[in-house]
Amino acid sequence: DTGVSQNPRHKITKRGQNVTFRCDPISEHNRLYWYRQTLGQGPEFLTYFQNEAQLEKSRLLSDRFSAERPKGSFSTLEIQRTEQGDSAMYLCASSAGAENTEAFFGQGTRLTVV
Amino acid sequence: AQTVTQSQPEMSVQEAETVTLSCTYDTSESDYYLFWYKQPPSRQMILVIRQEAYKQQNATENRFSVNFQKAAKSFSLKISDSQLGDAAMYFCAYSQSSMNNNAGNMLTFGGGTRLMVKP
Repeated sequence: DTGVSQNPRHKITKRGQNVTFRCDPISEHNRLYWYRQTLGQGPEFLTYFQNEAQLEKSRLLSDRFSAERPKGSFSTLEIQRTEQGDSAMYLCASSAGAENTEAFFGQGTRLTVV
Repeated sequence: AQTVTQSQPEMSVQEAETVTLSCTYDTSESDYYLFWYKQPPSRQMILVIRQEAYKQQNATENRFSVNFQKAAKSFSLKISDSQLGDAAMYFCAYSQSSMNNNAGNMLTFGGGTRLMVKP
C-alpha cells in the first residue's frame, strides 16, 4: 500500500462547472476525512466518514458540496456550480479506528476556479 | 469551539542549531491530543510528534521534542540540530478524544509556521 492517494492532483475549471475529486485511503483504515486548505492557511475540516457513514459535516460544507464513501472504501468529493472562492487545496486523510491513531494525508487536489 | 494559534508566521534557523515553534490552543475539554505536522513544499503532510493531554511527560521523537504546558494551554515544538530537510510549513493541531464526539479524530489546525533552515 502506497499511502493515501488523491486524484486529480490539479484541476482547473470554469466558474459554474461541477468538479469531482477522488480519495483512496490506506486500505485497512475505516476513518476518512476531507479538509480544505487555502494558501498560507492551515487545513480546515470539511467532513468525516467512519466506514461508509458520513458522521460529521462542517458548516463550511455548503449545499453545493457533497461527499460519499460507497462501501467504506474510496471517497469522492463533489462541488457543484463552482465559485472562485472554492479555489483551494482539498486534502484527504485516513486513519485506523482506534483512539488517537495517526492521520495519514494524501498530497491533495489543487482546485483553481477561473 | 476549539482554536489553535501559531503566532510565528515564519521562523529561521541556522543548520545544526535549535529552534522552537510556538503554539497555543483553547479548549474546555480535559481529554484531548495535540500534534505537530510537517508539510514540505508540494508534498503531503506528515506527523512529527503527538502528545496525549493526560500524560505529564513531554513527548520526544529523535531531534523533535515538545514542551506541553496544560494549564497554560501551550504546546511548543523544539527542533534540535536542525537540518536542511527540516525546512517546511509546521502546523500545530488539536484533536478531541473521539470517545466524546462523532467527528472521529478530526483535527483543528493552527495557521502554520514556515521554517527556513540556513546552511
